Amino acid sequence: SQTIHQWPATLVQPVGSPLSLECTVEGTSNPNLYWYRQAAGRGLQLLFYSVGIGQISSEVPQNLSASRPQDRQFILSSKKLLLSDSGFYLCAWSSRSHHEQFFGPGTRLTVL
Amino acid sequence: AQKVTQAQTEISVVEKEDVTLDCVYETRDTTYYLFWYKQPPSGELVFLIRRNSFDEQNEISGRYSWNFQKSTSSFNFTITASQVVDSAVYFCALSEGGTGRRALTFGSGTRLQVQP
Repeated sequence: SQTIHQWPATLVQPVGSPLSLECTVEGTSNPNLYWYRQAAGRGLQLLFYSVGIGQISSEVPQNLSASRPQDRQFILSSKKLLLSDSGFYLCAWSSRSHHEQFFGPGTRLTVL
Repeated sequence: AQKVTQAQTEISVVEKEDVTLDCVYETRDTTYYLFWYKQPPSGELVFLIRRNSFDEQNEISGRYSWNFQKSTSSFNFTITASQVVDSAVYFCALSEGGTGRRALTFGSGTRLQVQP
């Protein structure tokens, strides 16, 4: 069966510090991968998606970036965090043949 | 552009009551997919159901049922005989058909509280 992992689970970072969140998927190959952010008490906003290694599409302009160095690895990064980057970050995957997405446990990021 | 509206911000019921969560969507695509997800306090989104735009048959799974009506662009979710464990935030979502990005457009969610 497929499993999706995210780490760390929680993170507290000062403004201006770098960020690296990692997501890995097991039990499938060539998945579509997604990064979403959920602000407190709100819905989910798509940040990035990837259909293959090195292929990243950005949905909103921001100081975040994403990379996909391996087929089942998706990384969310920032060189300098802003207060507005605080939120709950969720990674998701979907297969090429189905539209439903399956989400990881999420990373709760607090920028102080 | 796609849009999903969940007008009910929060619903509170007493255990064993039936409750319906509303979802209205907008899309220009002729082929699309609708979803419901559950987000318990732990935060992880749990996939509940997918419905294709060309299949309006309603579905029942245990205490859960879904009513899809293209004529009113609605995809409502009913929980029968609610339980405390049903307390969560529920999201309705929409994605385009085809082989494109398939990203999900989410509604703002409905927080359901089931009181014992």
